Amino acid sequence: KAGVTQTPRYLIKTRGQQVTLSCSPISGHRSVSWYQQTPGQGLQFLFEYFSETQRNKGNFPGRFSGRQFSNSRSEMNVSTLELGDSALYLCASSLAGGSPEETQYFGPGTRLLVL
Amino acid sequence: AQSVAQPEDQVNVAEGNPLTVKCTYSVSGNPYLFWYVQYPNRGLQFLLKYITGDNLVKGSYGFEAEFNKSQTSFHLKKPSALVSDSALYFCAVRARRLSGGYNKLIFGAGTRLAVHP
Repeated sequence: KAGVTQTPRYLIKTRGQQVTLSCSPISGHRSVSWYQQTPGQGLQFLFEYFSETQRNKGNFPGRFSGRQFSNSRSEMNVSTLELGDSALYLCASSLAGGSPEETQYFGPGTRLLVL
Repeated sequence: AQSVAQPEDQVNVAEGNPLTVKCTYSVSGNPYLFWYVQYPNRGLQFLLKYITGDNLVKGSYGFEAEFNKSQTSFHLKKPSALVSDSALYFCAVRARRLSGGYNKLIFGAGTRLAVHP
């Protein structure tokens, strides 16, 4: 079974631009979560989607948004990019995300560099 | 509020020696604990988790972890370290909310494991 895939793997943008990152979950998984990883802040939860609905949200500004499609694929968007948005963005999928013991499986990440 | 602490930024071990990567947690209610490993330029790989039951959990690649409720710890262990185990290790915790639902997965800051030949 194929793992979580994320595209693109690497991205360079300039301040003020916007970016869209894509995540395809493991086949059969319906919950997708997004995380930001930086050396200073570590792994921080952005949001979680299930059945095209945002179910949980982290403490990020409104410039960070996401959505999920009917096939469970998810996208996250960052508008008006700032230098501090440079990070590795990780997507994780799980079967239903309906219980805390469920394992999340991570993709390879998209490394975003904002210049 | 829930939190996870990994008190060591780096752990150095000689190949063949046992290794321990420490993790302590704070949650309200029963914890669900996870260990992940991250190799350079890669995402996180799931190693093992504790849900309930036996305090010793066995996982991938020969790793195991011991849940200790009184010490609120979930240390990762391996009897004999390999150079290829060198990576960044993350402990994570999640708990049910008393009001229903569950909290988001919270990660520790990570511990870099360096296994020397």
